[in-house]
Amino acid sequence: NAGVTQTPKFQVLKTGQSMTLQCAQDMNHEYMSWYRQDPGMGLRLIHYSVGAGITDQGEVPNGYNVSRSTTEDFPLRLLSAAPSQTSVYFCASSPGDRDQETQYFGPGTRLLVL
Amino acid sequence: DAKTTQPPSMDCAEGRAANLPCNHSTISGNEYVYWYRQIHSQGPQYIIHGLKNNETNEMASLIITEDRKSSTLILPHATLRDTAVYYCIVDRFQGAQKLVFGQGTRLTINP
Repeated sequence: NAGVTQTPKFQVLKTGQSMTLQCAQDMNHEYMSWYRQDPGMGLRLIHYSVGAGITDQGEVPNGYNVSRSTTEDFPLRLLSAAPSQTSVYFCASSPGDRDQETQYFGPGTRLLVL
Repeated sequence: DAKTTQPPSMDCAEGRAANLPCNHSTISGNEYVYWYRQIHSQGPQYIIHGLKNNETNEMASLIITEDRKSSTLILPHATLRDTAVYYCIVDRFQGAQKLVFGQGTRLTINP
């Protein structure tokens, strides 16, 4: 299993540009999440999904859209990038099973918005 | 969700046991204690979790006080590769998809 994969690893955007951060998992996990981590800070939840076709907002959802058309993929879209969205973005997945209560994280995407 | 308090940094000698404390005095009866760590700039890594009883796995041990208001993560024989930021998180079961990460404890293992 590849686990949780994220692309791209690095991205530079200009203010106002849009882009999609890709996240995929091959563990057949029901739950997937997107977090952002600013320098020296903990992770903050952006959006999450409890299954295909179901998404909900986390702590900091403004400026981001998500969709979950398949179990495997959970892309994060930046509609109009702003410098405040400069951050490291982590995708995570979990089985959603009480007996397998752990979240698996991807390697992250480092985004710089100029 | 209950909040947690952790020391911002700790040091430990290589080969010794690293004991990381966490206070969660407002924890509810249905909330679990989770520990994750983040090595350098990698994605966080799950370590262990528990509800009431002490837990042990191949990575660490989790000791939860009887009143559940605090816990300690124990790395029995710390190595240089255990240098990381350790996060203590309290959350009720919800598929673990909505974890709230604080600033954690930066653990440095010294040779």
